[in-house]
Amino acid sequence: NAGVTQTPKFQVLKTGQSMTLQCAQDMNHEYMSWYRQDPGMGLRLIHYSVGAGITDQGEVPNGYNVSRSTTEDFPLRLLSAAPSQTSVYFCASSYKGQGVNRHGYTFGSGTRLTVV
Amino acid sequence: GEDVEQSLFLSVREGDSSVINCTYTDSSSTYLYWYKQEPGAGLQLLTYIFSNMDMKQDQRLTVLLNKKDKHLSLRIADTQTGDSAIYFCAETLRSNDYKLSFGAGTTVTVRA
Repeated sequence: NAGVTQTPKFQVLKTGQSMTLQCAQDMNHEYMSWYRQDPGMGLRLIHYSVGAGITDQGEVPNGYNVSRSTTEDFPLRLLSAAPSQTSVYFCASSYKGQGVNRHGYTFGSGTRLTVV
Repeated sequence: GEDVEQSLFLSVREGDSSVINCTYTDSSSTYLYWYKQEPGAGLQLLTYIFSNMDMKQDQRLTVLLNKKDKHLSLRIADTQTGDSAIYFCAETLRSNDYKLSFGAGTTVTVRA
């Protein structure tokens, strides 16, 4: 059981480049989310999805796009990378309703992104 | 809105108990969680407590919830070197259970 798989683990981008961070889960979870982790700030929600075909913005959505064409995949796209997007990005998934309450979210191992 | 606060650092001697504290502001919290992050890894769910409970015990972990003061704590008994990590407090709200709101994380260092 792979859980939540994120690729790549590390990436260096130049300012203005675009790229897609991949996230896949094999647990048939309805909820999927992207967070970014910055020192002293905890994790902040970028975008989330409550099911295939449904996405919405979190706290810090600017500069990022998402799509959810399947239950399993939830890619995060950086449209034009900026140094302020240097961070560690985590994808997470969960069952909905009582499932998320009792089991919490399952997190991927993260993508460390540096924008120069 | 929601806001979760934690102290940033805790140093504890091996074998002692660790107590990590967290405060939250939104009284409509439903579930409160403790996650552990080891270096270079993702977050691992340690335990959770429902907002109508006062205490939950799970092996070496004890969670205490004071709803009146909106205060949550995690006690780790007999702290080991493997407990060195960042610990995050998080909450979900009744109105939007898809979203976890995190504190900044407490870095726990266990010294011999």
